[in-house]
Amino acid sequence: AQSVTQLGSHVSVSEGALVLLRCNYSSSVPPYLFWYVQYPNQGLQLLLKYTSAATLVKGINGFEAEFKKSETSFHLTKPSAHMSDAAEYFCAVSRNTDKLIFGTGTRLQVFP
Amino acid sequence: EAGVTQSPTHLIKTRGQQATLRCSPISGHTSVYWYQQALGLGLQFLLWYDEGEERNRGNFPPRFSGRQFPNYSSELNVNALELEDSALYLCASSLNDRGRRGTRTVNEQFFGPGTRLTVL
Repeated sequence: AQSVTQLGSHVSVSEGALVLLRCNYSSSVPPYLFWYVQYPNQGLQLLLKYTSAATLVKGINGFEAEFKKSETSFHLTKPSAHMSDAAEYFCAVSRNTDKLIFGTGTRLQVFP
Repeated sequence: EAGVTQSPTHLIKTRGQQATLRCSPISGHTSVYWYQQALGLGLQFLLWYDEGEERNRGNFPPRFSGRQFPNYSSELNVNALELEDSALYLCASSLNDRGRRGTRTVNEQFFGPGTRLTVL
């Protein structure tokens, strides 16, 4: 069975600081991993995805994530937070065309 | 290129009524997924349709049902509405690239803005 755990339901950073959102997965087969962002009252937007190619994945808006099999992790990072990054972030796992299994989400707050 | 569209944006119903939510996928996408985002319960998979067939179903009662039309658009129907059905219902679409034999394909899902269902 596949599952995703996001550590920390809320993360607060200052503008310009490093953003680190944690995601650990559990999967019996090599997973496909995704990070999505949700702004208030909107749907989900794909930030990046891991598909077993490069372990360091670059996404939109300056975000990137590193797949670490030994740690079963896929943490999301951004070197310098911007006010516009304030949103809820979801890590998800899937197999092929199957459903996405989401973590519980992490709400990112960015302070000036 | 138009994204996934959903209608209506908001829907208010009373307990016991039926709700119908609609989704139009991105052009060329044959798979449609429905998710429920309820307060405190996170994002839960509801249904997956592909090529007009229901392919997978989440852990929801039978009063949650749907269908996919020949143009790949989809409807989600919720019968006998209960208060706890109040949620944001998200639709997503993806390509269903079967790829070559033995190879795995990645089908990222693109989400619509959602329908906010409120049950009073």
